[in-house]
Amino acid sequence: EIVLTQSPATLSLSPGERATLSCRASQSVGRYLAWYQQKPGQAPRVLIYDASKRDTGIPARFSGSGSGTDFTLTISSLEPEDFAVYYCQQRSSWPLFTFGQGTRLEIK
Amino acid sequence: VQLVQSGAEVKKPGESLKISCKASGYSFSNSWIGWVRQMPGKGLEWMGIIYPGDSETRYSPSFQGQVTISADKSINTAYLQWSSLKASDTTIYYCALDSGGYLHFWGQGTLVTVSS
Repeated sequence: EIVLTQSPATLSLSPGERATLSCRASQSVGRYLAWYQQKPGQAPRVLIYDASKRDTGIPARFSGSGSGTDFTLTISSLEPEDFAVYYCQQRSSWPLFTFGQGTRLEIK
Repeated sequence: VQLVQSGAEVKKPGESLKISCKASGYSFSNSWIGWVRQMPGKGLEWMGIIYPGDSETRYSPSFQGQVTISADKSINTAYLQWSSLKASDTTIYYCALDSGGYLHFWGQGTLVTVSS
């Protein structure tokens, strides 16, 4: 099973700051990685897929990069609505998807 | 695309349960649909996936033998069922549409509570 490790577990920042979230895979997943955002009481939603493609309607301040085992989600300038939990997910070993354990982005 | 899940359930240990996920807005028979568990305050766990067109089903090793995933293509509905619930099954379960290996569409979640 491919294990995804996200860091940091919690990130405390202020609105307007830049956020950088990391996801590391235990083996190469190519570019087959997505990022999800989950707010309390809601289902997750896709932000980025195939490492760097923004999903429909996702603001340009969200960007993804990386390949192989190291991936990054960057939020260029945090808006109040961006404070949430973020998960990465790999589809390289479909149908056995795996998720990272999540990064909580909280207001400083 | 819309995935509408059945409502919250309260069951006793040992009871059986089947929760549902009704799909609309896409070709249900020709798309994989799966289930995700989210334990309280925890992350997301992939449970398994089904192709309603021929009912081919794949399970995560962690959930193989613990749950059964099925689908009825005549009514565009996927199911997740337990034959004997445990207290540790208490949590939220989501269905989600597999679109190119990613989960672009999700149900609203079903809360299952197992308590004596």
